[in-house]
Amino acid sequence: DQQVKQNSPSLSVQEGRISILNCDYTNSMFDYFLWYKKYPAEGPTFLISISSIKDKNEDGRFTVFLNKSAKHLSLHIVPSQPGDSAVYFCAAVDTNAGKSTFGDGTTLTVKP
Amino acid sequence: EAGVAQSPRYKIIEKRQSVAFWCNPISGHATLYWYQQILGQGPKLLIQFQNNGVVDDSQLPKDRFSAERLKGVDSTLKIQPAKLEDSAVYLCASSLGYGQPQHFGDGTRLSIL
Repeated sequence: DQQVKQNSPSLSVQEGRISILNCDYTNSMFDYFLWYKKYPAEGPTFLISISSIKDKNEDGRFTVFLNKSAKHLSLHIVPSQPGDSAVYFCAAVDTNAGKSTFGDGTTLTVKP
Repeated sequence: EAGVAQSPRYKIIEKRQSVAFWCNPISGHATLYWYQQILGQGPKLLIQFQNNGVVDDSQLPKDRFSAERLKGVDSTLKIQPAKLEDSAVYLCASSLGYGQPQHFGDGTRLSIL
């Protein structure tokens, strides 16, 4: 029973265009959501987060949107750059229990 | 600030042997996590410490895996005996507290022959 799902294993976009990565969750106790980026042979690095009391959080080229009723969040990268090519993991947190659950990741390829 | 340090980076052992991994978290981070990441999957939490107490070890195969965090700082994860299905990357992460963004080490890639 996977509580956090990233249904697209891979995504390819052209440099300068928008990248949209999606994540769905099932556990209504999740109240904090994070995106991590991972390069090969390195550990994931924190990218951006959003609390369940918000529906949008923006940081430079990265914006995360949260739709609580649909239990869905998305990460938008605009404009996409070749250096953004990496695996992106969505993570959901039940802050009361202190438990984090990760999705299986989406591999983003940004073509020059 | 120094990041999360893990060693070794790579380890190859035969099944039924034992292996240990070491993690030094970021100074001041109270929460420490060990994850198992199998190729093509996301990190799966094995155990979570708050200072030197265990918060969650529900997914730790306790018949073969053990972990400790002495003095609330460094941590070791041990597998004894190893099975073929334990081949994975073992990631250590730390955070200031529950639910806070986690800082990951580069992991240990374990191969079981």
